[in-house]
Amino acid sequence: QVQLVESGGGLVKPGGSLRLSCAASGFTFSDYYMSWIRQAPGKGLEWVSYISSSGSTIYYADSVKGRFTISRDNAKNSLYLQMNSLRAEDTAVYYCARGCGGDCHGVGASDYWGQGTLVTVSS
Amino acid sequence: QLVLTQSPSASASLGASVKLTCTLSSGHSSYAIAWHQQQPEKGPRYLMKLNSDGSHSKGDGIPDRFSGSSSGAERYLTISSLQSEDEADYYCQTWGTGIQVFGTGTKVTVL
Repeated sequence: QVQLVESGGGLVKPGGSLRLSCAASGFTFSDYYMSWIRQAPGKGLEWVSYISSSGSTIYYADSVKGRFTISRDNAKNSLYLQMNSLRAEDTAVYYCARGCGGDCHGVGASDYWGQGTLVTVSS
Repeated sequence: QLVLTQSPSASASLGASVKLTCTLSSGHSSYAIAWHQQQPEKGPRYLMKLNSDGSHSKGDGIPDRFSGSSSGAERYLTISSLQSEDEADYYCQTWGTGIQVFGTGTKVTVL
């Protein structure tokens, strides 16, 4: 069965850095687009970034552009999010989600989600 | 600009039906969307992908009580035979080149 397991969250000071990981299993990871999506406490879902199956296509939300970097290691079935220059408003649960696989025209729907990892930015 | 609009809340009695609406912004009425359910204190769960012609494909294990339909720029999620576990937030999602977008969510209360 498809599983996505995030890790790497925690408490970090404003201006600090954190690297999130997402371990994928139960499907051919290298065939699928992947996304990071976050949810601030008590708020709705916000798309953060997505990456194509090969890693050649990457996009970011304006709110994180220039500060966050998405990457993947298809040999390790893993997705990453490097977060730098963190701000209080980046405090959220971060989810990785699977997108389109195979013959895709873009990232597609997020059809599997991880359980999330909490990032808290506070002094 | 690609935007999804959802009503903030909806309610219906146990065993009844409720129909949620997600409206695509002008110029985007042909876009497919996805519906997701988020129960309290849990992560989101994919319900279905819904195309502009009303055809839809559900996620694994999603009961037949959940169905989708479309009309113009509106995408609907109907939950029939409401159960207590259906009390949750429901989000619609769409995507384009370089972007994914979520609606603000509809909180469903089972009376």
